[in-house]
Parts: sequence; C-alpha cells; structure tokens
Amino acid sequence: DTEVTQTPKHLVMGMTNKKSLKCEQHMGHRAMYWYKQKAKKPPELMFVYSYEKLSINESVPSRFSPECPNSSLLNLHLHALQPEDSALYLCASSQDTGYTGELFFGEGSRLTVL
Amino acid sequence: QQQVKQSPQSLIVQKGGIPIINCAYENTAFDYFPWYQQFPGKGPALLIAIRPDVSEKKEGRFTISFNKSAKQFSLHIMDSQPGDSATYFCAAGRGGADGLTFGKGTHLIIQP
Repeated sequence: DTEVTQTPKHLVMGMTNKKSLKCEQHMGHRAMYWYKQKAKKPPELMFVYSYEKLSINESVPSRFSPECPNSSLLNLHLHALQPEDSALYLCASSQDTGYTGELFFGEGSRLTVL
Repeated sequence: QQQVKQSPQSLIVQKGGIPIINCAYENTAFDYFPWYQQFPGKGPALLIAIRPDVSEKKEGRFTISFNKSAKQFSLHIMDSQPGDSATYFCAAGRGGADGLTFGKGTHLIIQP
C-alpha cells in the first residue's frame, strides 16, 4: 500500500468556522508533511512531523494548527481562516526525515474559504 | 528555503518529440533531486529522482541529467505522448528534515 489518503477532498467553510483536514498513511513512514498549493504554483511547505513530533513550522499563521495523533495520522485544524487561505492542501509522507527520500503525496483537500 | 529555478514555465511539443525541462539550484547541501508530475486535481507523483553521485538516470521514457559543477539538472521525456501533458516540478532536498524545495513548475502540453 503506497497511498496517502486525505479527507475531505473538498471543503467549503466560512471565516468563522472550525474544520479539520485529515491524512492517513499505512506505509510505516515516520515523517509526515503538510503542503499548501495555490493554483499554478508549486507546493509550499507548511509543517513537518518527525516521529510524531513537530519538527518544522514554516512560520504558518496560528489559524492553522497541525496535530499528529499517531505515526499514521496527521490532522490540520482550521479556524478563523481568510479567503486567501483557499488552496489545495497536500499531505505527504516519507520514510524518515533524516533521509530525504521519496515523498508520497495524497491527492489533496481543496479548501474554499468564503 | 533555498531557491530552485525551473524553466521554461510552459512548453508545447509535438507527439514523439523530446521535451526538456531545466532546473538550477543554489544550495550545495542539496543531495536529492526528484521530479514530480502533477495532473489537474491530483497530488504530485514522483516520476524519477537522482542523487549527486551520478550524472544520468533513466527510468522508462524519462531521463534526468545532472551537472554537479554547474548545479543544474534536467528532465528529458523520450517519445512524448499526449498523456504526458501535465505540470512538472523539479525539487531539491537534503538530509536534515527540511522537506523539499520545489521549482515553480512547467506546464507541458504534448500535441497529437
């Protein structure tokens, strides 16, 4: 199984809503990532979890709150977002952050903030 | 994150032609150079990757050429097909848990 599964595929939320994006992998990977991708742009790194601990936060606003409940799951909690936060949010995993090997991406959650 | 420069931004090639996409990097600490292919509405998928100890790697119709001294690498697609039409991203990474730094992407169209 080489899949990274993301839910929901599409999410529409108002600026006062609280929602969560979920990501799951069963490849035994110990590093998990959140990337943000705007239309016609490359993915931008947001957060990295290594062995369930947050190792990188790329100065992401606090309205995005990541959580890694266990080595297979990664969540991104969303609160008080702005319309400019509308984007494709990609989850990825890799075997280990110490070896920058293959990143497996999910298909993304397309977020629209009204 | 350190920059990775990718060109061209868009490319149109006839079926059977050989599109070439180029990338250049600055940080000599990078030691892993993958190419990702992304179709509309999908996440990026790893196509092929290379490390600095080799100058060329082939996988099927895809070839990476790597020039360590020039800090450049490129993707060649042999016998290109309309199904290869997608956005291609080069990237660079290094040990130490930084994730990957992506180029800006190349929108490739293969015309029948």
